[in-house]
Parts: sequence; structure tokens; C-alpha cells
Amino acid sequence: GQNIDQPTEMTATEGAIVQINCTYQTSGFNGLFWYQQHAGEAPTFLSYNVLDGLEEKGRFSSFLSRSKGYSYLLLKELQMKDSASYLCAVRSGGSYIPTFGRGTSLIVHP
Amino acid sequence: EAGVTQFPSHSVIEKGQTVTLRCDPISGHDNLYWYRRVMGKEIKFLLHFVKESKQDESGMPNNRFLAERTGGTYSTLKVQPAELEDSGVYFCASSQVLNTEAFFGQGTRLTVV
Repeated sequence: GQNIDQPTEMTATEGAIVQINCTYQTSGFNGLFWYQQHAGEAPTFLSYNVLDGLEEKGRFSSFLSRSKGYSYLLLKELQMKDSASYLCAVRSGGSYIPTFGRGTSLIVHP
Repeated sequence: EAGVTQFPSHSVIEKGQTVTLRCDPISGHDNLYWYRRVMGKEIKFLLHFVKESKQDESGMPNNRFLAERTGGTYSTLKVQPAELEDSGVYFCASSQVLNTEAFFGQGTRLTVV
């Protein structure tokens, strides 16, 4: 099985930088996804990491360390609209189906 | 181009009744997935279609759940008879190829009372 751990909730200030961590224990790691989900809406894809290192995409970056079973999502220049749940999902064991963590609820305040 | 659409958006039914959820994937996406999120828990995989074939149904909780994808286009998920613990948000997602990100629908919020 897999164990994926994320903080339940984080708060940050508009304009700041926030880092959302995700740790996992799994065998046969095969990729890690980050999704953003606003309340009542569909989860939307943010990033995918399969190799170690940092992937940057605009204000959002995602980092992976396979040896440490660790990833983070970095959000820069926070905006109020970034208030949402951020879901970490891991693929492993030869399956293409990702297993989701419980998500981190990010609250951005003025 | 339309995204993944799900119908209905909300459904409230009594225990013992039947409910059918529908998912229309993005046109041309052979891979279709059903997930469920029970309140306070993580999104959990239910099953995966490739075209009309069930590729993986290891996440289906029991035989009260029946998923179909006749013709390899839209899919339905039927719960019969519904139980209280079936309440949650049912998400559908689709992808063009297997090794890419999936696009999610907005979900159907099912409440069994």
C-alpha cells in the first residue's frame, strides 16, 4: 500500500510565498502529481514530477526527491484566488492510477 | 472544447434506492476513471475504463456498484441499493493516453439519507 502525508491546512498572506509539503512511502515509485481544487469544482492538474529536481511553471514550482520520498509545491506571489485545496497524488507499483493524499487546504488572506 | 462533464451535480436519495451517475469524458479520451471522496477522507480510485473495457476495477467497494461504458463514450455508475456510507462526491476523470495527467469533472455530490 501507500502512505501519503500532507498538512491539513495552511494559511499565508497575499503576495507571500508558501511551500506545501508531501511525503510518501511506497514501492516502485512512478510519478507524483499536484492538483488544485477550489471548493465545489473539479481538481485541476498543476504539475507532474517523475525525476528528482525542480519543475517551474509560472508562479508554481514542484520539487521531488525520490530518495527521501518527498515533494513540495511552491507558490509564489500568492493571490487570493490561490485559496484552494492542493492534492498530492503518487503513482507506484507498476500502476498508472495515482493514489491521492487528503489534500492541504490553503487559505490566503489579505 | 468541453471538459469532463458529470450529471447530476447533486443527488439526494433515500437508503435502499437506486442512483445512476453519468460521466461524459473529453472527446477522444479512451481512458475514463471513477473516483470517490468520502467526507474528511482522500479521493479514492474506483475503476478505470479503456474504451468500453474495464481495465481495473480493484477500487469498487462492493457489488452494489456497477459501472458501464457502452460504446466507449460516456460512462454510468449505478449504486443499487444505496447505503448511508455511499454518501460522498463521485468524480470522473479522463485522459487521452495512460501515462498523462487526467482531467477531472466537477463531481456528483451524493447524499444518502
